[in-house]
Amino acid sequence: EAGVAQSPRYKIIEKRQSVAFWCNPISGHATLYWYQQILGQGPKLLIQFQNNGVVDDSQLPKDRFSAERLKGVDSTLKIQPAKLEDSAVYLCASLRERLSGELFFGEGSRLTVL
Amino acid sequence: QQQVKQSPQSLIVQKGGISIINCAYENTAFDYFPWYQQFPGKGPALLIAIRPDVSEKKEGRFTISFNKSAKQFSLHIMDSQPGDSATYFCAARGTNFGNEKLTFGTGTRLTIIP
Repeated sequence: EAGVAQSPRYKIIEKRQSVAFWCNPISGHATLYWYQQILGQGPKLLIQFQNNGVVDDSQLPKDRFSAERLKGVDSTLKIQPAKLEDSAVYLCASLRERLSGELFFGEGSRLTVL
Repeated sequence: QQQVKQSPQSLIVQKGGISIINCAYENTAFDYFPWYQQFPGKGPALLIAIRPDVSEKKEGRFTISFNKSAKQFSLHIMDSQPGDSATYFCAARGTNFGNEKLTFGTGTRLTIIP
């Protein structure tokens, strides 16, 4: 089975510019997550989708971050305008089923804001 | 608000030795405690997980010990090998059905030396 796909793998932008990240979860996984991982820290949840509905976006900085999951499959995460502190790896993960609990992560999109 | 505290931040172990990483949680409303392994440039991958109704789980060289009353759990890696060198994250999942988000610890960078 194919893993979680993310793109781009790397992105360098200047502050106040915008950026978008794309995620394609494992086929059939209804739950999708976006995590932010700052260097040297553990992943921090930004948003959780169940199909195309938002379950939890309490830690998403909504003044600059937005995310959507159209048709309950692919998802995009957008940052506009970017700040220096947004430099991080953005990880997408999908959940097969609650019983197993196993999250499958993509390789991440590394963002550098100059 | 950190709900999962992990220690140590870094660990150096000789090949063949035992690596021990500890985590403590504050919220009692967790029902699943996984450990994730992350290699540089890759997303985290599930290593082993435990539920609070058991005190220990072993899979090969990896063992989780769980102390519910102390709200602590730990990862033991027996016969540590250079290939085990990676960053390890403990995590805890909330019990709210439909909100299966993982809260991660800050990570432990493990280095196995020959």
